Amino acid sequence: GEDVEQSLFLSVREGDSSVINCTYTDSSSTYLYWYKQEPGAGLQLLTYIFSNMDMKQDQRLTVLLNKKDKHLSLRIADTQTGDSAIYFCAERGSQGNLIFGKGTKLSVKP
Amino acid sequence: NAGVTQTPKFRVLKTGQSMTLLCAQDMNHEYMYWYRQDPGMGLRLIHYSVGEGTTAKGEVPDGYNVSRLKKQNFLLGLESAAPSQTSVYFCASSPTGSEQYFGPGTRLTVT
Repeated sequence: GEDVEQSLFLSVREGDSSVINCTYTDSSSTYLYWYKQEPGAGLQLLTYIFSNMDMKQDQRLTVLLNKKDKHLSLRIADTQTGDSAIYFCAERGSQGNLIFGKGTKLSVKP
Repeated sequence: NAGVTQTPKFRVLKTGQSMTLLCAQDMNHEYMYWYRQDPGMGLRLIHYSVGEGTTAKGEVPDGYNVSRLKKQNFLLGLESAAPSQTSVYFCASSPTGSEQYFGPGTRLTVT
């Protein structure tokens, strides 16, 4: 079956790095995604990685993919208070939809 | 471009009432989706469309119907609302079926 698991909470200090982890079950997933949701808002696509890649970097964001362990992580460098949000990991499902994790709430303390 | 827009932003219904949620996108995307988001459940797919005139069932389709008469619009209908349909509804569109772009959501309460 298709399932995505994430830890529910992460708290970091401003200026530190944040690492949000995710595991998925469908080894045939071609794309894996990270979305950000701020309170009362929709989901914003942050980045995505193709399954034949190990790493993707985009400014302060680094995505690491370990396909053998079906593990995906999102690292945010120099975390700011504006990064406080819920972060969703998602894999592409068999119906072309996205299978989401329950989200990790990132709290950034000044 | 406005991207993906949803109407209305908020709605309160009584049990048994009907309503239609409208999603519009101006990016000429082929694929459109309706999800619901419930606390502790993440997002779940209700229905989706791979092009104008097509619709298909997702993970939780019961109690909902959809239509895609025009490429830019995807309508979600509730024929007889139930309290279990209290949720936040998100529409998304995609050019190729890979990355999806979301609207701001509709918060629906059924009393």
